[in-house]
Amino acid sequence: GENVGLHLPTLSVQEGDNSIINCAYSNSASDYFIWYKQESGKGPQFIIDIRSNMDKRQGQRVTVLLNKTVKHLSLQIAATQPGDSAVYFCAELLHNTDKLIFGTGTRLQVFP
Amino acid sequence: KAGVTQTPRYLIKTRGQQVTLSCSPISGHRSVSWYQQTPGQGLQFLFEYFSETQRNKGNFPGRFSGRQFSNSRSEMNVSTLELGDSALYLCASSLARDREAFFGQGTRLTVV
Repeated sequence: GENVGLHLPTLSVQEGDNSIINCAYSNSASDYFIWYKQESGKGPQFIIDIRSNMDKRQGQRVTVLLNKTVKHLSLQIAATQPGDSAVYFCAELLHNTDKLIFGTGTRLQVFP
Repeated sequence: KAGVTQTPRYLIKTRGQQVTLSCSPISGHRSVSWYQQTPGQGLQFLFEYFSETQRNKGNFPGRFSGRQFSNSRSEMNVSTLELGDSALYLCASSLARDREAFFGQGTRLTVV
């Protein structure tokens, strides 16, 4: 398969704090990126997306930052809540394909 | 509107058997993609269909196949099942390649 996913890093934060989840993507020609949230027993849930012609995009309590120079993507969650606890995946869409390539995922644990 | 629907939710099969999984995309979505998710390999792209044509394929053996019908519903088939095929199989639909892909709950396949 194409994805590497042998290790799942974990980020632990206290309720109310801000969370930053990072992702390094692999292909400089990728032109569209998505963050997904996956809770146990469920399919990935779309959070926010960003196109390669943008550096930043904001949603409700979430912000995605894209740094094409170093091929880095981050997801910022403001005022993290217990319901935010899940595994978060970044995904890149390879240029001129319909193939989404997923990162390894980061487990976010929110403590009261 | 209804989300992506996958059936069945759970399946247990014996080595050597074959299995067919079904996915009904969101109404109006013509692109359907399939992914395999395992703890060791993460989310891996299987294939993508648009208007009944396979446009992209991941690095999986020929035992994995799929098709899409004129109503955009899609099926994937795995023949000669192996223990390593045990996984969560996810289907996602989208309007176009650079639009958000929405996932179903997945089909949990266990091969014994």
